[in-house]
Amino acid sequence: DSGVTQTPKHLITATGQRVTLRCSPRSGDLSVYWYQQSLDQGLQFLIQYYNGEERAKGNILERFSAQQFPDLHSELNLSSLELGDSALYFCASSATVQGSGNTIYFGEGSWLTVV
Amino acid sequence: DQQVKQNSPSLSVQEGRISILNCDYTNSMFDYFLWYKKYPAEGPTFLISISSIKDKNEDGRFTVFLNKSAKHLSLHIVPSQPGDSAVYFCAAQNEAGTALIFGKGTTLSVSS
Repeated sequence: DSGVTQTPKHLITATGQRVTLRCSPRSGDLSVYWYQQSLDQGLQFLIQYYNGEERAKGNILERFSAQQFPDLHSELNLSSLELGDSALYFCASSATVQGSGNTIYFGEGSWLTVV
Repeated sequence: DQQVKQNSPSLSVQEGRISILNCDYTNSMFDYFLWYKKYPAEGPTFLISISSIKDKNEDGRFTVFLNKSAKHLSLHIVPSQPGDSAVYFCAAQNEAGTALIFGKGTTLSVSS
């Protein structure tokens, strides 16, 4: 158990809909990351937050957004969903963001299926 | 453009033998490298890491080697066990400490 909690574990929704994925980081971790893993793809970095502020952006679509709340939990919002958005979405956390040598710990993921 | 490449999608090894998983990177600014192991329907689990100031790091049966001049790292598992069967991801981080960049993974199958 990495200590990173993600809900829901599985979600099935229709095209055009909007969903919210939730993540609670490890206790004490200030940095939260979101990754997407599609079929035949590696882990694609979407976005990173540190202590409530956006820190870095990766391959995140404009239809997607995220935020980190004062209690450090984070939500990833996916809107106008398309079939191609079906994927496993991982949240990860780390203690800090400054400097390398920063190990990132992953949750078990949220399976999103768009039908 | 992939900055971290794992060119072998799969590897099959017999129990007790050595497994060698390879990873290449293109960005010379990367200075911290990690290996993660992933079972189906689970999140990636941190396995071992290495800083660019070192060329080797060992943890039990797992050893990671880094060749900075070749921009190449490898993970050695000795001896391999059936429980090691999983997808192994190589990841890299730059000195700014931003998010890890992952390769596409290598599926290791260890047969008994």
